[in-house]
Amino acid sequence: QSALTQEASVSGTVGQKVTLSCTGNNNNIGSYAVGWYQQISHGAPKTVMLGSFLASGIPDRFSGSKSGTTASLTISGLQPEDEADYYCSTWDHSLSAWVFGGGTKVTVL
Amino acid sequence: QVQLVQSGAEVRKPGASVTVSCKASGYTFTNYDINWVRQATGQGLEWMGWMNPQNGKTGYARNFQGRLSITRNTSTNTAHMELSSLSSEDTAAYYCVRYLAVRDAFDVWGQGTMVTVSS
Repeated sequence: QSALTQEASVSGTVGQKVTLSCTGNNNNIGSYAVGWYQQISHGAPKTVMLGSFLASGIPDRFSGSKSGTTASLTISGLQPEDEADYYCSTWDHSLSAWVFGGGTKVTVL
Repeated sequence: QVQLVQSGAEVRKPGASVTVSCKASGYTFTNYDINWVRQATGQGLEWMGWMNPQNGKTGYARNFQGRLSITRNTSTNTAHMELSSLSSEDTAAYYCVRYLAVRDAFDVWGQGTMVTVSS
C-alpha cells in the first residue's frame, strides 16, 4: 500500500491531453513539492518535473501542478515516446521518509 | 554534465551483504544529498535512505533500519550503499539519485544496479 495514490493506468491517442493524479495528505503533498519521474521499459527513472518546474531536457508539453493534497502531471499533446510508467514522490514528515506513488502506466493508443 | 555512475550487477547468497557504489561527476559532490531507491521486478519505487556527503549524516527508512549503511568517500566523489542480511526479497534494481534542495525533489538518477539474492 503506497502512501501516495496514483491511477494504475491512463491511455490516450497521439496529440491528446492526458492528466495523471497523485493524492496524499497534509503530511506529504499538502506540505512539500512533488516530483514526477518517468520510467520507460523498466529502465532507470528519469526526472520529468520538480514541482511545477520542468526538468532539464524535458519537452514543454509536460507540466505539473498541485492543489491541496493532490498533485497532477499533464501531458499536452501525447506522443508515442511518452508511453511509460510515471511515479510521483514527495517527503512525508510524519514518516520522516520519502514516499512514492504506486505508478501510472501511460499507454499511447 | 552531471552524472551518477553506479557499479555493476551483483549476485549474493541469502544472509550475505552487498555494497553498491555511485560515483558522481560534473558537480560539487558535497553540495547535494544522495538518496537510494530500489525497485523489485514488476514493482514500484521504494525509498531506502539519504546521506549528506558534506558531513556524512544519514537517514534510513524504517524498513531498512539496522541493516542499511550509506557512506561516502569525498576524495573519489563516491557514495556507497551497503545492505546486509540479504534475503530473496532484496532482489531488485538499486538506484542512487541526487536531491535538489532548491526544488525539493530528486533530479539526477544513476543507471541502476541489479542485485540478485539466490542460493
